[in-house]
Amino acid sequence: GDSVTQMEGPVTLSEEAFLTINCTYTATGYPSLFWYVQYPGEGLQLLLKATKADDKGSNKGFEATYRKETTSFHLEKGSVQVSDSAVYFCALLPSGYSTLTFGKGTMLLVSP
Amino acid sequence: GAGVSQSPRYKVAKRGQDVALRCDPISGHVSLFWYQQALGQGPEFLTYFQNEAQLDKSGLPSDRFFAERPEGSVSTLKIQRTQQEDSAVYLCASSDFPESYNEQFFGPGTRLTVL
Repeated sequence: GDSVTQMEGPVTLSEEAFLTINCTYTATGYPSLFWYVQYPGEGLQLLLKATKADDKGSNKGFEATYRKETTSFHLEKGSVQVSDSAVYFCALLPSGYSTLTFGKGTMLLVSP
Repeated sequence: GAGVSQSPRYKVAKRGQDVALRCDPISGHVSLFWYQQALGQGPEFLTYFQNEAQLDKSGLPSDRFFAERPEGSVSTLKIQRTQQEDSAVYLCASSDFPESYNEQFFGPGTRLTVL
């Protein structure tokens, strides 16, 4: 079946450091790919998405590129802030379906 | 406008009790989803409605779980005879159309603890 694998956390960084959170997936066909973020005490929020191969999603300084050849959708940010501390979830939506499959999440902790 | 709301935010139940969790989706959203998120895990799909029709309930873990959306708006997830393994955060999400690229908007969740 479809699945998403994320790097385990927590990822601990200092403010202004470069961030990469790895995400790989297994799916048939051409899924859409998403990154969701969950701040403490809040619901999941869509951070960015990509719907086809080579698409780059971006939002709030975060970027991820849909790489079909490596079945990856790694999340990157050039300079993290303390306010980016949260749990990040990679997810896929299989083509023709409406239900998301999530990874286990990666906690990011950014210190001043 | 208002986002997805869920109530209660926290629920403690004794093993064997029945519970009902409510979801108010964004007004006008056609699709509604329930997910279960165990501690330290990602959300896992439970069931999906399009308007009042329950189109997919393949993720419900047992026949103790039941969901409804009788008027195509508010939804209730009911768990009968709760067990300790039911302890989790239950997330509701809604979307304005069942297209694969449409964003699902999530509520804050209900944290269920079964003692």
